[in-house]
Amino acid sequence: EVQLLESGGDLAQPGGSLQLSCAASGFPFSFYAMSWVRQAPGKGLEWVSLIYSGDTTTYYADSVKGRFTVSRDNSKNTVSLQMTNLRADDTAVYYCAVLVAVVTATPGADYWGQGTAVIVSS
Amino acid sequence: SSELTQDPAVSVALGQTVRITCQGDSLRVFSANWYQQKPGQAPLLVIYGENNRPSGIPDRFSASSSGNTASLTITGAQAADDADYYCNSRDDSGNHVVFGGGTKLTVL
Repeated sequence: EVQLLESGGDLAQPGGSLQLSCAASGFPFSFYAMSWVRQAPGKGLEWVSLIYSGDTTTYYADSVKGRFTVSRDNSKNTVSLQMTNLRADDTAVYYCAVLVAVVTATPGADYWGQGTAVIVSS
Repeated sequence: SSELTQDPAVSVALGQTVRITCQGDSLRVFSANWYQQKPGQAPLLVIYGENNRPSGIPDRFSASSSGNTASLTITGAQAADDADYYCNSRDDSGNHVVFGGGTKLTVL
């Protein structure tokens, strides 16, 4: 059974930092690109970042570029999102995901965690 | 990057057919995927690629595309289909992922 379990969501001050983690199991993690997607309260889905499996190439949404850093540890089947200089509009539920739009080698592979909540407020 | 545009809200009578559309320049190159999301739940993939349904998704869900527009069709909408629907794809560069703004489907 595929599982993605996010952790690290919390209340943070504007300008502060948080690190989110995602523990994966049930699929060949080291072969899959991993994404972070967020959803602000009452709003739609927003893709945040992507890290590939091979050369660990990373990509970021313009809204977080320069503030967020994604990394992975294939030996521990984990992916992390380091968030710095947090702003109020970073408040959202953050999902760790394998997205079918990215993982083309395995047709239909699309997995999501349950999400972890980040609140940025003073 | 590029954007995907969806109508904010659509309604359909129980048992009728409804189409939800998604427009964006990147759809001329990349296929759209479709997600269903219910309150408090993670998104659920209902269609991927040209018109593929993951295991467990009812065959009343189908998709099509033409030019820069992708469509999700629900034939014989059920009460359980009342949800938010999002399209997604790659952006023009192919390096980023984009989501549409979402369509709230109400089954009357």
